[in-house]
Amino acid sequence: GQQLNQSPQSMFIQEGEDVSMNCTSSSIFNTWLWYKQDPGEGPVLLIALYKAGELTSNGRLTAQFGTTRKDSFLNISASIPSDVGIYFCAGPLRIIFGKGTRLHILP
Amino acid sequence: DTGVSQDPRHKITKRGQNVTFRCDPISEHNRLYWYRQTLGQGPEFLTYFQNEAQLEKSRLLSDRFSAERPKGSFSTLEIQRTEQGDSAMYLCASSSIRDRGHEQFFGPGTRLTVL
Repeated sequence: GQQLNQSPQSMFIQEGEDVSMNCTSSSIFNTWLWYKQDPGEGPVLLIALYKAGELTSNGRLTAQFGTTRKDSFLNISASIPSDVGIYFCAGPLRIIFGKGTRLHILP
Repeated sequence: DTGVSQDPRHKITKRGQNVTFRCDPISEHNRLYWYRQTLGQGPEFLTYFQNEAQLEKSRLLSDRFSAERPKGSFSTLEIQRTEQGDSAMYLCASSSIRDRGHEQFFGPGTRLTVL
């Protein structure tokens, strides 16, 4: 079956730093989705990507649809405390999720 | 309409009891999905409906699990004879087939604890 691998599994950064995370798939996707989940809540859609090479921004977040169509990247610039949470990449339709990247911001 | 809602938010039950969860999707969305999420994992797909038709079920959905969407609006997920391994967050999501990427919008989840 399809698998999604997210990297890194966990990140500890200082407030104000930029963050990069990525996701790779065992098969080609035609849509990539990035979600953020806060503790005890459902995932919230951040960015949707529809075309290989596409670069899309949402405020301080920027995501890219990899040219191989088997990977995607999410960058967060100038991190702030409310960025803390778990970031999931996901594929289309029934949505296959990665295991998430846990972002921690050090005081 | 402010989004997907789920009820209850938390449920504690004893092993062997039956539980039922409800999901109310975004009103114009015709697709509704159920997922299960355990600690440290991403959500795992269980089943989805288009209108009232249940189109796909994961093999994770054992025969103790049943989902319905009788009028194509809200949905219920029932777990019979609960087991401790059923303890998880149960997430509901909805989407519209008119949206380009069928982006799913999630509810807050129902956290089930089986004692």
